[in-house]
Amino acid sequence: AQKITQTQPGMFVQEKEAVTLDCTYDTSDPSYGLFWYKQPSSGEMIFLIYQGSYDQQNATEGRYSLNFQKARKSANLVISASQLGDSAMYFCAMSLENTGTASKLTFGTGTRLQVTL
Amino acid sequence: DAGVIQSPRHEVTEMGQEVTLRCKPISGHDYLFWYRQTMMRGLELLIYFNNNVPIDDSGMPEDRFSAKMPNASFSTLKIQPSEPRDSAVYFCASSREYVNIQYFGAGTRLSVL
Repeated sequence: AQKITQTQPGMFVQEKEAVTLDCTYDTSDPSYGLFWYKQPSSGEMIFLIYQGSYDQQNATEGRYSLNFQKARKSANLVISASQLGDSAMYFCAMSLENTGTASKLTFGTGTRLQVTL
Repeated sequence: DAGVIQSPRHEVTEMGQEVTLRCKPISGHDYLFWYRQTMMRGLELLIYFNNNVPIDDSGMPEDRFSAKMPNASFSTLKIQPSEPRDSAVYFCASSREYVNIQYFGAGTRLSVL
């Protein structure tokens, strides 16, 4: 079974600073994907970034980057130049990727990020 | 392109009533997922479909819950009879074959009184 652990219930960061949200995962399957989603106070789930287990390079999407350390089974999200609009709940998630078919996402418990002036 | 569309956004009902949640996936997506989010259990998968066929319904809590996907552009999640413990946010998500990124709808916040 897969498991995602997010150990930081809440984080504060000053505007324009960078912040790292931690995520560790556990699976015995060699083929998997790692995801980060943002959930603002309005409630929707917004896809941010994806990393495949066989990807050699760390994924980046604008101000978001995923620090993938396979040996340590960690997939931390780095947000650079934080903005007030980044204040939200952030979820790390994982899915298995056998034969290219989709499978369910297993989510962590989330980290609430608050960006301050 | 339109994203995943869920309706209603909010639903308040009384215990024992039937509740139907609706979802329209992104056009061209082959997979449709229903998730539930609660404070106690976080986000958990209820059921998912591939090409309108249910693949994994092991997360459906009990027989009071049922889901259908009559065609590629519409799915329903029904709770009958509803109970207060069913109060949660229900999300629908969709993805394409071989592109393992799930896009979520805005969710339906269900309150069962």
